Amino acid sequence: EAQVTQNPRYLITVTGKKLTVTCSQNMNHEYMSWYRQDPGLGLRQIYYSMNVEVTDKGDVPEGYKVSRKEKRNFPLILESPSPNQTSLYFCASSFYNSPLHFGNGTRLTVT
Amino acid sequence: DAKTTQPNSMESNEEEPVHLPCNHSTISGTDYIHWYRQLPSQGPEYVIHGLTSNVNNRMASLAIAEDRKSSTLILHRATLRDAAVYYCILKRYNFNKFYFGSGTKLNVKP
Repeated sequence: EAQVTQNPRYLITVTGKKLTVTCSQNMNHEYMSWYRQDPGLGLRQIYYSMNVEVTDKGDVPEGYKVSRKEKRNFPLILESPSPNQTSLYFCASSFYNSPLHFGNGTRLTVT
Repeated sequence: DAKTTQPNSMESNEEEPVHLPCNHSTISGTDYIHWYRQLPSQGPEYVIHGLTSNVNNRMASLAIAEDRKSSTLILHRATLRDAAVYYCILKRYNFNKFYFGSGTKLNVKP
């Protein structure tokens, strides 16, 4: 089944403890992207990747890192999480100029 | 960056048509109009997209104004499963940025 898989679905952590949220897609998509969703603000793009080893900042990249070493994987890294990064995170992928396929989300709480 | 304006919420009765409006007065010639919806506790899912002409698929229809400054997503017979937040997005061709606004929360009454 074609899908975008995010792990974990729920994560509670403390300020400053590095964490990684994984994203994997099995559709051979070139494009992958991370979004965060906060009440009243809709979805905002954090980072995106046009292909392996090609990444670029979205609208809210501060405090996040990404890497794209393989086509299927696009992990989101929070080196030193802070409470303002408590949010619902979505990974998405697509072929170039095609509709996005989203994962089911990761709910992160930073205390 | 081209933005869209949608009503915060709308209500419909089950099995009746629903027309969800979207204004995009600053649209450029290479912007495609995309619609996604987000069901509770899920990621957004693609519904339909178009450039200039009206579009139909198994989920919905997209009516685009002649001047392209507005569009309407049409659900022909709303079901309870269509209750979701609907996002109207402009996607520039060859430019991989999708700007999601706050969307329209659709409530479907039995």
